Amino acid sequence: GDSVTQMEGPVTLSEEAFLTINCTYTATGYPSLFWYVQYPGEGLQLLLKATKADDKGSNKGFEATYRKETTSFHLEKGSVQVSDSAVYFCALSERGSARQLTFGSGTQLTVLP
Amino acid sequence: SAVISQKPSRDICQRGTSLTIQCQVDSQVTMMFWYRQQPGQSLTLIATANQGSEATYESGFVIDKFPISRPNLTFSTLTVSNMSPEDSSIYLCSVRTDGDNSPLHFGNGTRLTVT
Repeated sequence: GDSVTQMEGPVTLSEEAFLTINCTYTATGYPSLFWYVQYPGEGLQLLLKATKADDKGSNKGFEATYRKETTSFHLEKGSVQVSDSAVYFCALSERGSARQLTFGSGTQLTVLP
Repeated sequence: SAVISQKPSRDICQRGTSLTIQCQVDSQVTMMFWYRQQPGQSLTLIATANQGSEATYESGFVIDKFPISRPNLTFSTLTVSNMSPEDSSIYLCSVRTDGDNSPLHFGNGTRLTVT
């Protein structure tokens, strides 16, 4: 079945540092890929998405590129802020499936001033 | 996208009691889902709430423990029955508003603590 493997956390960075959170996936078809963010005490918000190979999703300075050859969708940001402290989830949705997302385990990011 | 309101936002319940969580969406949606997020864990799908028919449960979840209602295209409830401390989790309602591969939108969740 489908699965998503995320870089284990927690990750602690200083403000303005470069961020990478690794995500790899296993799927039988051609999934769409997503990054969700969960701020403390809140639900999940969609951060960015990519629906086909070589697509780059971007939002709020975060980027991720759909790499079919390496089955990866790593999240990056060039300069993190304290307000980026949250839990980040990588997820996939299998094409043709009207059902649900498969989530990774989540990565806790803490950014220190 | 959609605006999803969940009630209650949090509750502390005693062992053996039941809690019903409500999910209201500001537009009609076909697909509604209930997820559980145990402390420090990722999200696990409990069931798909089907309008006008019984919910579709994932492996490990049963209707007697988690009865779900979906009376119309904008509303659903999830009941956590005969609660135990192991049911302490965040319960999240989510919807899909577009095609099959569109993102899910989530409510803010219900933080349940069972004592």
